[in-house]
Amino acid sequence: RKEVEQDPGPFNVPEGATVAFNCTYSNSASQSFFWYRQDCRKEPKLLMSVYSSGNEDGRFTAQLNRASQYISLLIRDSKLSDSATYLCVVKSETGGGNKLTFGTGTQLKVEL
Amino acid sequence: DTAVSQTPKYLVTQMGNDKSIKCEQNLGHDTMYWYKQDSKKFLKIMFSYNNKELIINETVPNRFSPKSPDKAHLNLHINSLELGDSAVYFCASSQDLTFGDRGTVRYGYTFGSGTRLTVV
Repeated sequence: RKEVEQDPGPFNVPEGATVAFNCTYSNSASQSFFWYRQDCRKEPKLLMSVYSSGNEDGRFTAQLNRASQYISLLIRDSKLSDSATYLCVVKSETGGGNKLTFGTGTQLKVEL
Repeated sequence: DTAVSQTPKYLVTQMGNDKSIKCEQNLGHDTMYWYKQDSKKFLKIMFSYNNKELIINETVPNRFSPKSPDKAHLNLHINSLELGDSAVYFCASSQDLTFGDRGTVRYGYTFGSGTRLTVV
């Protein structure tokens, strides 16, 4: 089982739609959770951290359920510029350091 | 100024060659990393260095040798390149930050723009 699992998509949605991505992780000792965005042939960039109480940043809402080891991202009012791959990321301690473990990403295509 | 810069951006080389990728960060971060993103787009950690000291080595073949001359630099040398080494290699740096009002440790984690390595 992969440490972080996501539906690879692609999700093709019309502009203005609401789209939700899900992610599950296997390491119950994971400490921190994030959503990253990666555009084609570019580096990943932090979209938002995910807190247990849920958090919102503009059109983006992230939720974390530690008991189910489940993370979600909701995008409202999708824009063409939201088209990208969304990476679910989990941070954990290992051997004295910390590392980020990435899911394989969910591709989003927002269309006119 | 670019925060995490890596060179070269593209590298095409023949099997069996030895090559290096360089990475520098000007963020003052203590920790630097190398990640590999393969053809299936899966991004996986290879190494982590904290203040020039190796702290994570994710069972990478010993043909890959990272070197950190100081905490702002983490270079990756690859010996005897194989076809399967073709990938995009991302350098990154991080610094743990305390986000006081939530009592939550956030972090600053910045990636370089990647080096696309093609082994032919």
